[in-house]
Amino acid sequence: DIVMTQTPLSSPVTLGQPASISCRSSQSLVHSDGNTYLSWLQQRPGQPPRLLIYKISNRFSGVPDRFSGSGAGTDFTLKISRVEAEDVGVYYCMEGTQLPYTFGQGTKLEIK
Amino acid sequence: EVQLVESGGGLVQPGGSLRLSCAASGLTLSDHYMDWVRQAPGKGLEWVGRSRNKANSYTTQYAASVKSRFTISRDDSKNLLYLQMNSLKIEDTAVYYCTRAVAGMLDSWGQGTLVTVFS
Repeated sequence: DIVMTQTPLSSPVTLGQPASISCRSSQSLVHSDGNTYLSWLQQRPGQPPRLLIYKISNRFSGVPDRFSGSGAGTDFTLKISRVEAEDVGVYYCMEGTQLPYTFGQGTKLEIK
Repeated sequence: EVQLVESGGGLVQPGGSLRLSCAASGLTLSDHYMDWVRQAPGKGLEWVGRSRNKANSYTTQYAASVKSRFTISRDDSKNLLYLQMNSLKIEDTAVYYCTRAVAGMLDSWGQGTLVTVFS
């Protein structure tokens, strides 16, 4: 199984300031079809997870453009350009290249 | 708009069984791969298993932790997905989410249903 490792596990951020979360996979996420199936999910308190970013850098429908994803191979980053109050929650990276899909431990984003 | 609504969670003793349901709307279930994902209280996400679509003969695949104990099935005529859980263990306690799997991503999630295994 692919191991996904996120850093940091907790991120206190000031409103309006940027935030960044890193995710590293134990092996390359490049699929044999040439795509890299790395997603980011957001889980607000008391809510189910929600897809934010897919295939490294594509924002899902309805996701604000302050969220962006980047990376390649085994190293990936989620950035929030200006944190808003509604961004509080836990963020997970997920590999969708091979089964079983695996998730990072989660990064808790909180407001300072 | 895709909507997934899970039901069937509850309290069960170790060794017991439970069947979860996921009612899907806004999509034709037979066209889609569907996955179950769980989240233990206060913990992260764990992929549980997959039911492939009709074109792929509804084949299934499971996480090692549940293989031979859990079974995914579906009734496409009713747009229902099921998770049959047998020989339940305390460590199976979690919120179980029904999700749609598309191109390496899980793009739609239900609200989840809580399963508590207690002795």
